[in-house]
Amino acid sequence: RKEVEQDPGPFNVPEGATVAFNCTYSNSASQSFFWYRQDCRKEPKLLMSVYSSGNEDGRFTAQLNRASQYISLLIRDSKLSDSATYLCVVNFLSGNTPLVFGKGTRLSVIA
Amino acid sequence: NAGVTQTPKFQVLKTGQSMTLQCAQDMNHNSMYWYRQDPGMGLRLIYYSASEGTTDKGEVPNGYNVSRLNKREFSLRLESAAPSQTSVYFCASSEQVEQFFGPGTRLTVL
Repeated sequence: RKEVEQDPGPFNVPEGATVAFNCTYSNSASQSFFWYRQDCRKEPKLLMSVYSSGNEDGRFTAQLNRASQYISLLIRDSKLSDSATYLCVVNFLSGNTPLVFGKGTRLSVIA
Repeated sequence: NAGVTQTPKFQVLKTGQSMTLQCAQDMNHNSMYWYRQDPGMGLRLIYYSASEGTTDKGEVPNGYNVSRLNKREFSLRLESAAPSQTSVYFCASSEQVEQFFGPGTRLTVL
């Protein structure tokens, strides 16, 4: 089983739509969870961390379900500028150890 | 702060040639990483250095060597390049869990 799995997409949605991405991880002892964003031909950048209680940052909401080993990212009121690849990222160990990246889900927001 | 810088941005090599990819960070981070990113494969860890003076293999270390020259710099060397090493290479650094990435090096091996 792959360590971090994501639907590769692409998700093509109109401006203003709500879109949700899911991610599953294999290691039940995983400690930390993140969503990174990667624009075409650019480096990945942290979008948001994912906390057990769920967290929101403007139009973005992240949820974690430890029992199901499942992470989600919800984007409301999609903008053209949200078009990018979204990477699900997991830290399997505590502290400053290498992160494990999913292959990413591509989003295209269309006018 | 420049963050994480990488040189060169682009490189074309012939099979069998060697080269070193350079990475430097000015954030005083302890940990540094080298990844490669290929279409459909996502980011794969080549080597990492948890602190100055230490290096460890990642998921795909074969064909590569690294040097943690000092706290700022972490270089990746291809001794004898192969077409399978055509990829985009990203360097990253971290102090806590969040990793900061450089802009990448696009390498083509003919």
